[in-house]
Amino acid sequence: NAGVTQTPKFRVLKTGQSMTLLCAQDMNHEYMYWYRQDPGMGLRLIHYSVGEGTTAKGEVPDGYNVSRLKKQNFLLGLESAAPSQTSVYFCASSYDHRTGETDTQYFGPGTRLTVL
Amino acid sequence: AQSVAQPEDQVNVAEGNPLTVKCTYSVSGNPYLFWYVQYPNRGLQFLLKYITGDNLVKGSYGFEAEFNKSQTSFHLKKPSALVSDSALYFCAVRDWYSGAGSYQLTFGKGTKLSVIP
Repeated sequence: NAGVTQTPKFRVLKTGQSMTLLCAQDMNHEYMYWYRQDPGMGLRLIHYSVGEGTTAKGEVPDGYNVSRLKKQNFLLGLESAAPSQTSVYFCASSYDHRTGETDTQYFGPGTRLTVL
Repeated sequence: AQSVAQPEDQVNVAEGNPLTVKCTYSVSGNPYLFWYVQYPNRGLQFLLKYITGDNLVKGSYGFEAEFNKSQTSFHLKKPSALVSDSALYFCAVRDWYSGAGSYQLTFGKGTKLSVIP
C-alpha cells in the first residue's frame, strides 16, 4: 500500500499561472481533504470531499477549486496563482466504511508551492 | 464551533527526561481528540486518539496522552524523551457531531519539540 501520494513534490509558479495538484489514495477511503500549512498557522482546511463527485468548502477555499471524479483521486486547482498561495499543501484521507474506522486521517507527503 | 490551542510554540527537553506537550480544546459536544507528529519535510503521522473510554490513551513510539474533561485538556506525554522525538507536534479536535458527515478536524498551530542530547 502506497497510502496517500501527492504530485508534484515541488513547484514554482509565476503570478497568474495555473496548476493542478494531484492526490491519490489506495485505502478505499470515502473522505478526502486538502490542507495548507503556513508557519505559525497550523493546518487549515481548503476543501474536502465526502465521496466521489462531491466537494465542499473548508476554512480557506478562496482561489482554489477541487474535483473528485474518481474515489481514489482528489485534485486541487489554482486558476490564477498569487504569492499569498505560497505554502505547503497536504492531502489527507479518512473513513473506510468496510472497517468502520472513521476518524483517523492519513496524510500525504506534501507539495511545496512557491508563487513568485 | 470547535477549536484547539497549543500554548507553547516550542518545548525543549533533555534526552532521557519526561516530556509534555500541552493542548486544550473547545467543542460544543463530546470531543474526539488526536495527536499527530510531523518530521522535517514530511507529512503528518498519526500518533494516538481519544474517542471514549479510559482517559489515558497510549499510542505509537511510547507516547501517551491524558484526556481531562474538567480542564478541557489533552496533553501529550512520554516518560523518557529521545533525540529522535524532535519534531513538530499537532493536536486536533473534532466535535462528535461535526456536520455533513465530513469528520473535519481542527488543528492547533503546532508545538516544536527539541530533545537535547
